[in-house]
Amino acid sequence: KNQVEQSPQSLIILEGKNCTLQCNYTVSPFSNLRWYKQDTGRGPVSLTIMTFSENTKSNGRYTATLDADTKQSSLHITASQLSDSASYICVVSPYGGATNKLIFGTGTLLAVQP
Amino acid sequence: GAVVSQHPSWVICKSGTSVKIECRSLDFQATTMFWYRQFPKQSLMLMATSNEGSKATYEQGVEKDKFLINHASLTLSTLTVTSAHPEDSSFYICSASLSGGSYEQYFGPGTRLTVT
Repeated sequence: KNQVEQSPQSLIILEGKNCTLQCNYTVSPFSNLRWYKQDTGRGPVSLTIMTFSENTKSNGRYTATLDADTKQSSLHITASQLSDSASYICVVSPYGGATNKLIFGTGTLLAVQP
Repeated sequence: GAVVSQHPSWVICKSGTSVKIECRSLDFQATTMFWYRQFPKQSLMLMATSNEGSKATYEQGVEKDKFLINHASLTLSTLTVTSAHPEDSSFYICSASLSGGSYEQYFGPGTRLTVT
């Protein structure tokens, strides 16, 4: 069964600190893996998208890594800001076919405190 | 970047009435649009996939007669919740893609529906 699991479920960090969020998936084969940021009451916004051949991708203070062999991905946030408080969702797109559905993780809720 | 809008952003309706939610791709033509529902502290759940000019494909457990989807143009899809009940209260999010789910999906800001 195709699944995407994220850890931790929630995380509290102080402003300015770094943190790393984890994503494990069983989707195989897969086309790409995405990380989204979802603010409360808003739709998800794409942070990074990686194909299976990519190991890392950065977007400002966000850096995502991917290990296709172990089926693990991480999202590292550097020098956190209060505005980083949100839910971070790992999403995997199965390979093949225009109608393949995205497989969503349950998200990690990050709270950045002053 | 690609922008997707939803209207309204929030709506309150009485039980038994119908509500229409619009999803628009503002600066690109979306061959495929998706409708999701999200309950508090849960992830997005796909309700249906719609391709312009054809009938929507609904996920298992989603009533097609209750959640009417129309994708009449490459920039507009609508979701109508018919005979709404309190249990339909949720956050509804649409996304648009140039072609299918394997391509980048751009999400709308969501619509908060409250049925009283």
